[in-house]
Amino acid sequence: AQTVTQSQPEMSVQEAETVTLSCTYDTSENNYYLFWYKQPPSRQMILVIRQEAYKQQNATENRFSVNFQKAAKSFSLKISDSQLGDTAMYFCAFMNSGNTPLVFGKGTRLSVIA
Amino acid sequence: EAGVTQFPSHSVIEKGQTVTLRCDPISGHDNLYWYRRVMGKEIKFLLHFVKESKQDESGMPNNRFLAERTGGTYSTLKVQPAELEDSGVYFCASSQLPSSSSGETQYFGPGTRLLVL
Repeated sequence: AQTVTQSQPEMSVQEAETVTLSCTYDTSENNYYLFWYKQPPSRQMILVIRQEAYKQQNATENRFSVNFQKAAKSFSLKISDSQLGDTAMYFCAFMNSGNTPLVFGKGTRLSVIA
Repeated sequence: EAGVTQFPSHSVIEKGQTVTLRCDPISGHDNLYWYRRVMGKEIKFLLHFVKESKQDESGMPNNRFLAERTGGTYSTLKVQPAELEDSGVYFCASSQLPSSSSGETQYFGPGTRLLVL
């Protein structure tokens, strides 16, 4: 069975600084998808970024980028120029190819400090 | 376009009572998933509908949980009778049904926070 590990339960970062959230996963599959979701306090969980395992290029969405290391089964999220609105719980998630359920990590609570 | 909606947002019930949670997916999304997060733990999969059919219900904890999706639109998740360990946040997510086996992004609702006393 696939597993996802987020080793940092809590992190904090100064506004405008850069922070990296770590995520590792375990799978024997070759084709799969990886996601980062964020859930701000008392708000809806939204997709931050996704990565297809067959793509070598790291995904980027504005200030958010990933460092996808397929051989190491690592999928870290980098947030540049952190903003107060980035304060949230961040979940790393794995999905096999096809429409299968997501497997989540325990989450990392990120606080951006003014 | 409206996102995934869930009702109620919060529910507090006593052990032994019944609670029904509702999820309205994004219009046109044939895939509907239910997940649960118990305090301090991972978000765990409960079950997956494709249209009105249960594709995978391997995550359902026990037979006190009953999910339906009549007509392939909204879904309900009923817990009867509720136990203390059922407390947590119940999330619903939906995604499109693609023509290939590509991994479609799941869009989440705000969740229902259930507290069983």
